[in-house]
Amino acid sequence: EADIYQTPRYLVIGTGKKITLECSQTMGHDKMYWYQQDPGMELHLIHYSYGVNSTEKGDLSSESTVSRIRTEHFPLTLESARPSHTSQYLCASRPTLSGQETQYFGPGTRLLVL
Amino acid sequence: AQSVAQPEDQVNVAEGNPLTVKCTYSVSGNPYLFWYVQYPNRGLQFLLKYITGDNLVKGSYGFEAEFNKSQTSFHLKKPSALVSDSALYFCAVRDPLNSGNTPLVFGKGTRLSVIA
Repeated sequence: EADIYQTPRYLVIGTGKKITLECSQTMGHDKMYWYQQDPGMELHLIHYSYGVNSTEKGDLSSESTVSRIRTEHFPLTLESARPSHTSQYLCASRPTLSGQETQYFGPGTRLLVL
Repeated sequence: AQSVAQPEDQVNVAEGNPLTVKCTYSVSGNPYLFWYVQYPNRGLQFLLKYITGDNLVKGSYGFEAEFNKSQTSFHLKKPSALVSDSALYFCAVRDPLNSGNTPLVFGKGTRLSVIA
């Protein structure tokens, strides 16, 4: 079982609110990822990080932002939530070591914007 | 560019029968291949991977997958399906020529339904 955590697990919020989705891992992994997934649908990579102070945009354009100040934390922020942001957000991490290629996922945050 | 295809959106199988969930890939060299399973309202759980070595890879919950380089496939299999295997399955690939920094590329997922 991977030690990667996401909070909150569920969030209902009104339009225009600022929200931060937390992701943390205790495995010391350098690489971390955020995916957006509508229920039962494909995953879309929205942000990733190679390590501290490194952030990159993913394949899917997103109005969210991320930061990587500490190895174990990779929070995702929406400055002004909109109903179109309603989705599930999955965080993942993996080590850099060659041969340790497996990417581990957190349980996800299900977001509903009213 | 790397890509992965899961040609079936849905697979239905009777409990006790063998199951196969298909995956084909495209990378420039030898691929790193993965299977994940997702149960409702959960994150993705790692099932198995192929990095190098034996083409037949065994994973969690009795699943296995066979790497076939000539057919560029990595189909997931299980000899006898259980109702509890019903879930969403994702195949993923990484290009080893750039594996240090390349995120996994995921297929669109295949929903497996095992009928009692």
